[in-house]
Amino acid sequence: AQRVTQPEKLLSVFKGAPVELKCNYSYSGSPELFWYVQYSRQRLQLLLRHISRESIKGFTADLNKGETSFHLKKPFAQEEDSAMYYCALRGGSNYKLTFGKGTLLTVNP
Amino acid sequence: DGGITQSPKYLFRKEGQNVTLSCEQNLNHDAMYWYRQDPGQGLRLIYYSQIVNDFQKGDIAEGYSVSREKKESFPLTVTSAQKNPTAFYLCASGRDEQFFGPGTRLTVL
Repeated sequence: AQRVTQPEKLLSVFKGAPVELKCNYSYSGSPELFWYVQYSRQRLQLLLRHISRESIKGFTADLNKGETSFHLKKPFAQEEDSAMYYCALRGGSNYKLTFGKGTLLTVNP
Repeated sequence: DGGITQSPKYLFRKEGQNVTLSCEQNLNHDAMYWYRQDPGQGLRLIYYSQIVNDFQKGDIAEGYSVSREKKESFPLTVTSAQKNPTAFYLCASGRDEQFFGPGTRLTVL
């Protein structure tokens, strides 16, 4: 069985502060990990995936297999980063994703 | 804004009625998915289809049915057997990256 845990339902930071959204997973094999984001009144969209190892909108995430974590980080939060963030895992060959329950990030001015 | 569309945006149903949600994509994707999004629950997979004329149950398939007669279309029927159908329903397509529709909000009166 595969599971994704996002321990924080809500996270509030001030503009310019560092932000870290936590994601832990449970999976027996080698998973693919993703972060999806949903801005207000917009569709859910892919933010980044661990395979590509790229930085999108200043966000990065490193897969730590020892700690089974895939935390999302940004050194200086911006107000436009306010959104709902979902961590997701794909295991096996059937392309389906298992999502966490999401973290609502609010960046205050 | 093409890609993947869902209709209607809002849907009201009386208890005991079946209702069908539409999902269409013009991205030429083989794989399509239906999720249910509830506050505090994240996204939960209802059904998915990896190719035309084939589909599999997700984590919460009870009370739902789907068909996949065409590559572009993956309609979801919420039956009267679904005990708590009021929710926000998201359709997605794609394999390496999932692209999401705008969603349908179903309310049972």
